[in-house]
Amino acid sequence: DADVTQTPRNRITKTGKRIMLECSQTKGHDRMYWYRQDPGLGLRLIYYSFDVKDINKGEISDGYSVSRQAQAKFSLSLESAIPNQTALYFCATSDDGQKAFFGQGTRLTVV
Amino acid sequence: QKEVEQNSGPLSVPEGAIASLNCTYSDRGSQSFFWYRQYSGKSPELIMSIYSNGDKEDGRFTAQLNKASQYVSLLIRDSQPSDSATYLCAVRPGGATNKLIFGTGTLLAVQP
Repeated sequence: DADVTQTPRNRITKTGKRIMLECSQTKGHDRMYWYRQDPGLGLRLIYYSFDVKDINKGEISDGYSVSRQAQAKFSLSLESAIPNQTALYFCATSDDGQKAFFGQGTRLTVV
Repeated sequence: QKEVEQNSGPLSVPEGAIASLNCTYSDRGSQSFFWYRQYSGKSPELIMSIYSNGDKEDGRFTAQLNKASQYVSLLIRDSQPSDSATYLCAVRPGGATNKLIFGTGTLLAVQP
């Protein structure tokens, strides 16, 4: 089983819908991150969390929100999905803020 | 200026050759540097980390860091077709932050 698990792996949703992407980890890491990846733009940080009481915005947080339900769970929500949020989303964890370990990714399409 | 810059490629090398991938960064206070490999449609996988000036070798991979010039490179010796992937450079900026800033990646194609 993967140490960092993302659900769903693929999702197609309509403009205006609310959608939640979930991430769970068995690595025991405190730090968790959400990135999106777009062709030509690389990985961009959306939100990150150092523990359940600590949530921080990344470089592209507008239109997104997160919830750290437990040390092992970090979910990303799109309150009202729009087509330019179509991307590959990755959850990652880190034990020391140095090396990151990624989930398998969620391919989201907003139509 | 982007915080972490890489040439997008593709970088094409013949099998058995040395592939050289480069990355520059803007934050002089950066302390930690990483190379990730990402196969098409897959998640990034850490392959090298380097924290001090000089070279660090691990098998066929060598990471090189020059903080004065603000660049980090990855050499892949005896390149194999299975090395064909996108290589992402990641930098941990200086200060109290614990986030990683990624470059856009360089696509490497190793020709059999």
